[in-house]
Amino acid sequence: AQSVAQPEDQVNVAEGNPLTVKCTYSVSGNPYLFWYVQYPNRGLQFLLKYITGDNLVKGSYGFEAEFNKSQTSFHLKKPSALVSDSALYFCAPLRAGGYNKLIFGAGTRLAVHP
Amino acid sequence: GAGVSQSPRYKVAKRGQDVALRCDPISGHVSLFWYQQALGQGPEFLTYFQNEAQLDKSGLPSDRFFAERPEGSVSTLKIQRTQQEDSAVYLCASSTTGTSTHEQYFGPGTRLTVT
Repeated sequence: AQSVAQPEDQVNVAEGNPLTVKCTYSVSGNPYLFWYVQYPNRGLQFLLKYITGDNLVKGSYGFEAEFNKSQTSFHLKKPSALVSDSALYFCAPLRAGGYNKLIFGAGTRLAVHP
Repeated sequence: GAGVSQSPRYKVAKRGQDVALRCDPISGHVSLFWYQQALGQGPEFLTYFQNEAQLDKSGLPSDRFFAERPEGSVSTLKIQRTQQEDSAVYLCASSTTGTSTHEQYFGPGTRLTVT
């Protein structure tokens, strides 16, 4: 069965500090991996994706993610957190060759404190 | 430019009523998806269209759920005889092509409450 795990329900970070939101996945074949962010009462916004190539992917708003095939992980990172980064973050793998279904976990709530 | 829009944004239905939720994807987008997001959960896939063809409906929870996209643009998700467990946010997303490398753009969702 295909699945995704975000082991932390919530991550608390002080503004200006680096942040990491963890994600591991279980998908057959070579996965395509996405990160989305959800602000209250708004739809999901695309942050970044890994398709192939360089394991370090850079995305919107200063976020980046590192693909690690051996550990089946795709952790989201940012060097310096902002209060405005506080939101719900979803890692979503998509099985290559499938009908483009994104597989979502329950997400990780990021709280950045001033 | 205009993003994905959904209407209504909020819908309250009495148990047993039928509802219809509308999605207007980004113009020209080939792929359209419906997801269901229960409170405190991540979105779960319901169904997928490529143009007007419904290629995957494996996520529809029961035969009370029906989706269509007759002209390959606007889509409607219909739920018949609503039940309390249908209460959720219904998200629509569209993507440029049928290729899986392209990201999906999500609408704001319709929050359905069944009383």
